[in-house]
Amino acid sequence: GQQVMQIPQYQHVQEGEDFTTYCNSSTTLSNIQWYKQRPGGHPVFLIQLVKSGEVKKQKRLTFQFGEAKKNSSLHITATQTTDVGTYFCAGEGNTPLVFGKGTRLSVIA
Amino acid sequence: DVKVTQSSRYLVKRTGEKVFLECVQDMDHENMFWYRQDPGLGLRLIYFSYDVKMKEKGDIPEGYSVSREKKERFSLILESASTNQTSMYLCASSLGQVYNEQFFGPGTRLTVL
Repeated sequence: GQQVMQIPQYQHVQEGEDFTTYCNSSTTLSNIQWYKQRPGGHPVFLIQLVKSGEVKKQKRLTFQFGEAKKNSSLHITATQTTDVGTYFCAGEGNTPLVFGKGTRLSVIA
Repeated sequence: DVKVTQSSRYLVKRTGEKVFLECVQDMDHENMFWYRQDPGLGLRLIYFSYDVKMKEKGDIPEGYSVSREKKERFSLILESASTNQTSMYLCASSLGQVYNEQFFGPGTRLTVL
């Protein structure tokens, strides 16, 4: 079945450094979504990408969807302590959303 | 704001007990989902439903069943709880069309002793 791989599993950064998490699907996706889960919280939707090569920005966050619609990335510029949490990608193809295992981001002040 | 509520934040049950986890959403969403979340394994889909009285198996349905008698309510049932079902259970809902974000409930942390 469809699989979504996400790397790295953990990332520790100094406040102010950049952060990137990568997502790869075994199959072509119709769309990809990104979620953030704060410690002790539940996943919260960030954004959805639908078009091949699409790039979207939310303040310091940049989301990209690959040309082949099989990979995606989330880049955070100049991390802040409020960015702490686990970031999940979730891809939709012929099945309901399949979530990656997430990247847990720690930010050291 | 969409609100997804789950019946309990924490639950402790004994092996062999029948366990009901309830989920209610208040935004008339068509789709509802049950996931379990375990460290290092991410979110894994147990069951989902695209309509009342409709249910589909997800990736890990074994040991679980679901019920959706009303549009706003989706129940997850553990017929005979086992220790390997100790986990965080998350319910989510989304609109009927494709490409829609999922709204998650706060989760139920179930411990089976």
